[in-house]
Amino acid sequence: GAGVSQSPSNKVTEKGKDVELRCDPISGHTALYWYRQSLGQGLEFLIYFQGNSAPDKSGLPSDRFSAERTGGSVSTLTIQRTQQEDSAVYLCASSFSPGGSSPLHFGNGTRLTVT
Amino acid sequence: GENVEQHPSTLSVQEGDSAVIKCTYSDSASNYFPWYKQELGKRPQLIIDIRSNVGEKKDQRIAVTLNKTAKHFSLHITETQPEDSAVYFCAARHTDKLIFGTGTRLQVFP
Repeated sequence: GAGVSQSPSNKVTEKGKDVELRCDPISGHTALYWYRQSLGQGLEFLIYFQGNSAPDKSGLPSDRFSAERTGGSVSTLTIQRTQQEDSAVYLCASSFSPGGSSPLHFGNGTRLTVT
Repeated sequence: GENVEQHPSTLSVQEGDSAVIKCTYSDSASNYFPWYKQELGKRPQLIIDIRSNVGEKKDQRIAVTLNKTAKHFSLHITETQPEDSAVYFCAARHTDKLIFGTGTRLQVFP
């Protein structure tokens, strides 16, 4: 079946612009996660959705970052007034069960470059 | 907050040798510990996981051990092959999410 789909795969934007990153999880997966991977670094947790609600937003780096999920499916991560330090690969993952105790299925990520 | 430390950051082995990657975690309530493999330019993929009610799990050439008392867990790869070359991430469950280690770049030389 289809895996987690993310778009765009690559995004180059100018400093100060807003960007929207999209994630389409595996059908039936109720939990959705956003992580950030900077060059050569680990996976930094950003936000977690259970259904349409976000019980854990603790990883969002600043108020320029926001995310929403609609219909228990597609999620959008928005970064306002982008800065160069926002450059990274943004990975979305979904899982069948909530709570971080079942395998995460990752998308291919969106590589964001802020110039 | 939860912290997961992973060592070593890089590991080079000869084909056929074994490789061991170690992780420690801080949250004593953590009960799920997966390992992910990320090949260059690709998505992380689950290779094995272990829950806190067992001490060891094996799947062909890979195995994971867990010491809850010491709060550390390890990945063991035997008879390494060039296709095992990748970055490996450990993770531990903390509340409702997975916290990842910083990764180990494994290179297997033929």
